Amino acid sequence: DQQVKQNSPSLSVQEGRISILNCDYTNSMFDYFLWYKKYPAEGPTFLISISSIKDKNEDGRFTVFLNKSAKHLSLHIVPSQPGDSAVYFCAASLYNFNKFYFGSGTKLNVKP
Amino acid sequence: DAGVIQSPRHEVTEMGQEVTLRCKPISGHNSLFWYRQTMMRGLELLIYFNNNVPIDDSGMPEDRFSAKMPNASFSTLKIQPSEPRDSAVYFCASSLGMGGNQPQHFGDGTRLSIL
Repeated sequence: DQQVKQNSPSLSVQEGRISILNCDYTNSMFDYFLWYKKYPAEGPTFLISISSIKDKNEDGRFTVFLNKSAKHLSLHIVPSQPGDSAVYFCAASLYNFNKFYFGSGTKLNVKP
Repeated sequence: DAGVIQSPRHEVTEMGQEVTLRCKPISGHNSLFWYRQTMMRGLELLIYFNNNVPIDDSGMPEDRFSAKMPNASFSTLKIQPSEPRDSAVYFCASSLGMGGNQPQHFGDGTRLSIL
């Protein structure tokens, strides 16, 4: 049973617009959340993270929002660029444990 | 800085053969993870080590799979005998420390095809 779900397998956005990628989780004990980006033939690379004590974390064009009551997090990319086209994975973990639970990924296509 | 290094990048072999995947973690990282990525199951954790000791191998699918970490700079994932359903991309990752707030750094993976 997947504890972290990304229900949209793909998303297409115009360059310059906002991309919003969503992620839901079932385990209320998760206290740390991360987003990874993956290009073809490469490994996932860490993008941004958020602790459960926060509801927002921003890094340049990337912002992650956490809604603990809804067990939902989202990644906003503004403005979107063609180089952002990749597969995005969300992951969740328990603070005292290394084990990450990954979603199945959302493929983002940013059109020029 | 050198990242996580995996070898080989691609492996094609026949069913029944032994397959060995190799990983060199980032120097100084003391946690190492093996993942498998498939279309059906996404990224699934197979096993992870902390300070060269296996901590959780609950994701290892069968006894045909085994993993070792003889020292801090090397790990292997072995499949013996291999089967076509083992075909997937296998990733190794490493991180600093045991906490869940430590981002894992991934290698570029080994694409394994079992004929």
